[in-house]
Amino acid sequence: GDSVTQTEGPVTVSESESLIINCTYSATSIAYPNLFWYVRYPGEGLQLLLKVITAGQKGSSRGFEATYNKETTSFHLQKASVQESDSAVYYCALGEDNNAPRFGAGTKLSVKP
Amino acid sequence: GALVYQYPRRTICKSGTSMRMECQAVGFQATSVAWYRQSPQKTFELIALSTVNSAIKYEQNFTQEKFPISHPNLSFSSMTVLNAYLEDRGLYLCGARVGLGGAETLYFGSGTRLTVL
Repeated sequence: GDSVTQTEGPVTVSESESLIINCTYSATSIAYPNLFWYVRYPGEGLQLLLKVITAGQKGSSRGFEATYNKETTSFHLQKASVQESDSAVYYCALGEDNNAPRFGAGTKLSVKP
Repeated sequence: GALVYQYPRRTICKSGTSMRMECQAVGFQATSVAWYRQSPQKTFELIALSTVNSAIKYEQNFTQEKFPISHPNLSFSSMTVLNAYLEDRGLYLCGARVGLGGAETLYFGSGTRLTVL
């Protein structure tokens, strides 16, 4: 079936450092799935951070970026300079039309001040 | 804005009993609702996708007999965990969205945390 593998946490970085959380996917039922990053801040619900539905394109939100790379089946999440408020759990997810997304294991990010 | 409320936030039930949880969409019409479970130390597993006027689609390892879902209108869905046992404990999330496409944004509630004694 379809699956997502992402960087195993926890990940700890210092404020203003760069960040990359790796995500690779395996889609057996569809050639070009929709790809998402969701985030769960402490005490809050799960929310969409960004999504990309076309291979080769990049999504961005709140300073985070992710590029849909069909050659490497990857969708890594990057940010040039993290802030303490970025501390959260990040989930890479894969979806296809007429179905709900499937999530990776989640990566807990802690940003030190 | 789009909001999704889930209740109860937390619940405890005895092993072998059943527990019903609800999901309410506010500010939009949820044509489809996805139910997930996050067991301890695991990710969010998709239980089923419920789309109005369509059959509910359950994932492997989850059945209607164990997790019956009701989706009577565009703002409400409920799911029951029947005969709950220890392995059913965890955080149950519902995600609601407008439209049928897989790229449509899912709006999640805060979840119902189930403890089984």
